Amino acid sequence: DSGVTQTPKHLITATGQRVTLRCSPRSGDLSVYWYQQSLDQGLQFLIQYYNGEERAKGNILERFSAQQFPDLHSELNLSSLELGDSALYFCASSVEGWLETQYFGPGTRLLVL
Amino acid sequence: AQKVTQAQTEISVVEKEDVTLDCVYETRDTTYYLFWYKQPPSGELVFLIRRNSFDEQNEISGRYSWNFQKSTSSFNFTITASQVVDSAVYFCALSEAGSGTASKLTFGTGTRLQVTL
Repeated sequence: DSGVTQTPKHLITATGQRVTLRCSPRSGDLSVYWYQQSLDQGLQFLIQYYNGEERAKGNILERFSAQQFPDLHSELNLSSLELGDSALYFCASSVEGWLETQYFGPGTRLLVL
Repeated sequence: AQKVTQAQTEISVVEKEDVTLDCVYETRDTTYYLFWYKQPPSGELVFLIRRNSFDEQNEISGRYSWNFQKSTSSFNFTITASQVVDSAVYFCALSEAGSGTASKLTFGTGTRLQVTL
């Protein structure tokens, strides 16, 4: 158990809908990262937050957004969902957020029908 | 741009065989970290090891060992006397210092290891 929690574990929704994925980092970690794992794209970095501020953006679609709250938990919002958004979404955390080991949560498996 | 290549898509071995997973990376940075993660069938990503670009000392931890060679930009991972529980997808990943204050991981495509009795 990495200490990173993610909810829900599974999510099934329809195209055009909006969903919110939630992540709680390990105790003491200030940095949160979101990654997407899909069959065609592999594991891709989406976005990083550090202590409530956005620190880096990767290949994140405009339909996706994220935020980190004062209690350091983070949410990833996916809107206008398409079939191709079906993937495993991971959250990871680290203490500071620079060249550190990132510890991953169990992931949220999203299926868009 | 940083890149990680895991040329082996899938490897099948019989239990107790040794197996080496290959990883080749590309980076223009002189300061970087390399990682190995394991993804068992249950789906979570489990951290195995981290190495920085200034530490080429190879390491052995139980049945696992790692071979880091900057001259060939490789960071290979060996499992000795493999067991069925080692069956998983193994990912090599790279993090560069030159990305500023951010520290995203760039992953390879993974190697699926199947260990059978």
